[in-house]
Amino acid sequence: DARVTQTPRHKVTEMGQEVTMRCQPILGHNTVFWYRQTMMQGLELLAYFRNRAPLDDSGMPKDRFSAEMPDATLATLKIQPSEPRDSAVYFCASGRRTDLEAFFGQGTRLTVV
Amino acid sequence: SQKIEQNSEALNIQEGKTATLTCNYTNYSPAYLQWYRQDPGRGPVFLLLIRENEKEKRKERLKVTFDTTLKQSLFHITASQPADSATYLCALDDSGGYQKVTFGTGTKLQVIP
Repeated sequence: DARVTQTPRHKVTEMGQEVTMRCQPILGHNTVFWYRQTMMQGLELLAYFRNRAPLDDSGMPKDRFSAEMPDATLATLKIQPSEPRDSAVYFCASGRRTDLEAFFGQGTRLTVV
Repeated sequence: SQKIEQNSEALNIQEGKTATLTCNYTNYSPAYLQWYRQDPGRGPVFLLLIRENEKEKRKERLKVTFDTTLKQSLFHITASQPADSATYLCALDDSGGYQKVTFGTGTKLQVIP
């Protein structure tokens, strides 16, 4: 059963610390998305990649967030330094250019104290 | 400014009735629109996609309509069941099919037995 895998599922960290979230997209999917979900803002697109190249990261605060795809099986989202306002659920999703639907992982629940 | 509006109030309906959820948008010209389902603590799950040149799409008990003149999509669940209780999100691609998808805030549906 193919699925998007995200680690860790939960992360509690202190303000100022670096946070790295990882995502393994479904094999064969060439598009990877990072979303953030909060009660106030809903699901916001932070960045997305096609064939490992960044297509758009305009939703991401550039001074502290970075997203990369070191290879086709791994996407990372880093926050450095983290702040309490970064507390949210971060979702990774993957898909194919041809059929347009996105498959979401279970999310990483981040709490910055 | 661009906006995607879904009824923020929860929708409560009796089992067996048809649930109708609304998605209105402004200042977008979407190539397609999608509906997702999200259960608590889980990532969204894709349900249906409708393109800008399509008026209606069906899948089992689900039906989606898309009116680009009214800038509105309606999502119907017929013969609703308690298992249909979830939050339903509409999402649209305003990037000409490049999959830069923006989500609405969702409508929580509760089906009462």
